[in-house]
Amino acid sequence: DGGITQSPKYLFRKEGQNVTLSCEQNLNHDAMYWYRQDPGQGLRLIYYSQIVNDFQKGDIAEGYSVSREKKESFPLTVTSAQKNPTAFYLCASGRTGELFFGEGSRLTVL
Amino acid sequence: GENVEQHPSTLSVQEGDSAVIKCTYSDSASNYFPWYKQELGKRPQLIIDIRSNVGEKKDQRIAVTLNKTAKHFSLHITETQPEDSAVYFCAARAGISSGSARQLTFGSGTQLTVLP
Repeated sequence: DGGITQSPKYLFRKEGQNVTLSCEQNLNHDAMYWYRQDPGQGLRLIYYSQIVNDFQKGDIAEGYSVSREKKESFPLTVTSAQKNPTAFYLCASGRTGELFFGEGSRLTVL
Repeated sequence: GENVEQHPSTLSVQEGDSAVIKCTYSDSASNYFPWYKQELGKRPQLIIDIRSNVGEKKDQRIAVTLNKTAKHFSLHITETQPEDSAVYFCAARAGISSGSARQLTFGSGTQLTVLP
């Protein structure tokens, strides 16, 4: 069953802790993306990667880091430097058109 | 970079009526305009898209129109049904010749509620 899988679905962390969100895809897509979704603000691009071992900052990269060691995997780390990390995070993959999204990870920082 | 504005932020219609959501974009080099639907608690999914060489595209009850001169595009849903209730996002992406990263820029979303 092809698709894109995010984990965990819900995550609670204390302020000051780093958190890593997992994103795996078996669609054989070269490009992968991380978006942040906040109420009333749409989807904002955090980081994207168009090929293994390469990634670029999106519009709101500060306080986040990523890696792309394998084509299938694009984990996102929310660091303690992110001022307002509580949000819904969506991973996506795609080729030249349609993006396929994961089901999202809701991070709550207490 | 690209800036996409979407209106309205909320829209309520009676079942069977039509719904229209409008978006404007700023980058004249943008040439791909998808629309995504996100049902409550689910992932966004592409419902229709249009490229800049086309003025209108239809798929059953949904249609998208594009006005390149005015830099705006719209989603039209006819004969709305309760299952159309969701958040709808428009997006725009610049072409390969653009100096930008060619990534999708999304609008802020429209919560559509279809009242039975």
